[in-house]
Amino acid sequence: QKEVEQDPGPLSVPEGAIVSLNCTYSNSAFQYFMWYRQYSRKGPELLMYTYSSGNKEDGRFTAQVDKSSKYISLFIRDSQPSDSATYLCAMSANGNQFYFGTGTSLTVIP
Amino acid sequence: GAGVSQSPRYKVTKRGQDVALRCDPISGHVSLYWYRQALGQGPEFLTYFNYEAQQDKSGLPNDRFSAERPEGSISTLTIQRTEQRDSAMYRCASSKLDRLLPTEAFFGQGTRLTVV
Repeated sequence: QKEVEQDPGPLSVPEGAIVSLNCTYSNSAFQYFMWYRQYSRKGPELLMYTYSSGNKEDGRFTAQVDKSSKYISLFIRDSQPSDSATYLCAMSANGNQFYFGTGTSLTVIP
Repeated sequence: GAGVSQSPRYKVTKRGQDVALRCDPISGHVSLYWYRQALGQGPEFLTYFNYEAQQDKSGLPNDRFSAERPEGSISTLTIQRTEQRDSAMYRCASSKLDRLLPTEAFFGQGTRLTVV
């Protein structure tokens, strides 16, 4: 079993839709939960992160962590074509390495 | 430089050849990490350094892979006797801390290695 599981998609939604991206994990020692956005031919860029459990909101983006279920989510409200990218979840226990999901490819259709 | 720089951006090599991939971290950054990202996959950890010391090489797939950071700055990832399965994007990340924390991890654009 991989440390982090993420549905690769692809996911295609109309502009303005609410997008839900999810990851599950197996390592209960994970404390940092991150979402990266990766545009084509670019490196991953940190979108949001959460330490331990709970929710975090930043503009149209909301990250949720449920440690009891070992499940994290990223919600994108009012999705825009510029949100089209691959979204990677990543997790870390002690900062020595990140464990990434496979990434979910998202296309927002105008 | 302004960010993590990797070279070359693209490398095509014949099976059996050795390749050396270079990572130039952000100036002054303490830790440096190598990841490999296969097509359609997330990055997988290979190895990391604090200054010049290699702290963890548990992610290196086999002994054809090695890495060094002799002066605690630029790092080289070397793959000997390349095989087609080595084809991937190789990414480097650096941090000003001795750990990789979300707000302090900066990734390079990667080297796309293709073994033919």
